Amino acid sequence: GEDVEQSLFLSVREGDSSVINCTYTDSSSTYLYWYKQEPGAGLQLLTYIFSNMDMKQDQRLTVLLNKKDKHLSLRIADTQTGDSAIYFCAGTGGGNKLTFGTGTQLKVEL
Amino acid sequence: GAGVSQTPSNKVTEKGKYVELRCDPISGHTALYWYRQSLGQGPEFLIYFQGTGAADDSGLPNDRFFAVRPEGSVSTLKIQRTERGDSAVYLCASSYAERNTGELFFGEGSRLTVL
Repeated sequence: GEDVEQSLFLSVREGDSSVINCTYTDSSSTYLYWYKQEPGAGLQLLTYIFSNMDMKQDQRLTVLLNKKDKHLSLRIADTQTGDSAIYFCAGTGGGNKLTFGTGTQLKVEL
Repeated sequence: GAGVSQTPSNKVTEKGKYVELRCDPISGHTALYWYRQSLGQGPEFLIYFQGTGAADDSGLPNDRFFAVRPEGSVSTLKIQRTERGDSAVYLCASSYAERNTGELFFGEGSRLTVL
């Protein structure tokens, strides 16, 4: 099955860029996803990238995919305090179910 | 409703008791998923329904866990003889199975505490 790994914690200053990294093992995922979880709330899809793309930009979010290294990253430009949350990457590994990473807690400091 | 609804939001029970958790998916979504999230971990897949049938139940940890979706809409996750290790947030998600992007819409979860 798919294994997805992330660093546990990231702290940035407000206005700086944040980069959250993820590595995965199964290259058969058609799509790779980034979800956001705020305290006490359900997971919310932030963005996704099709596996034949290497970059996707969506307003302040940039997703980079390196299929050779099985590495996915999420860059948040001009990080705000409202971006403080846990970020999960996820892939389907060729099946119907999403496999999630352990999550990266982003803390934005003033 | 507008989103995925889960009840109860919080459930405290004693070891050995039986628990039911309910999920009401977004109207029209044919696919329904149950995940379990322990503290400090990512969501862990339990079971996936396509319509009324369980298409993949490979994530259910043991035979104390069972889920149904009799009419292809609301689903109930059932846990027998609860153990302290079952304490977690149980998340439900739904999606249009036919959509290529496979986006899942999650509920806010049911927090289960087994004393």
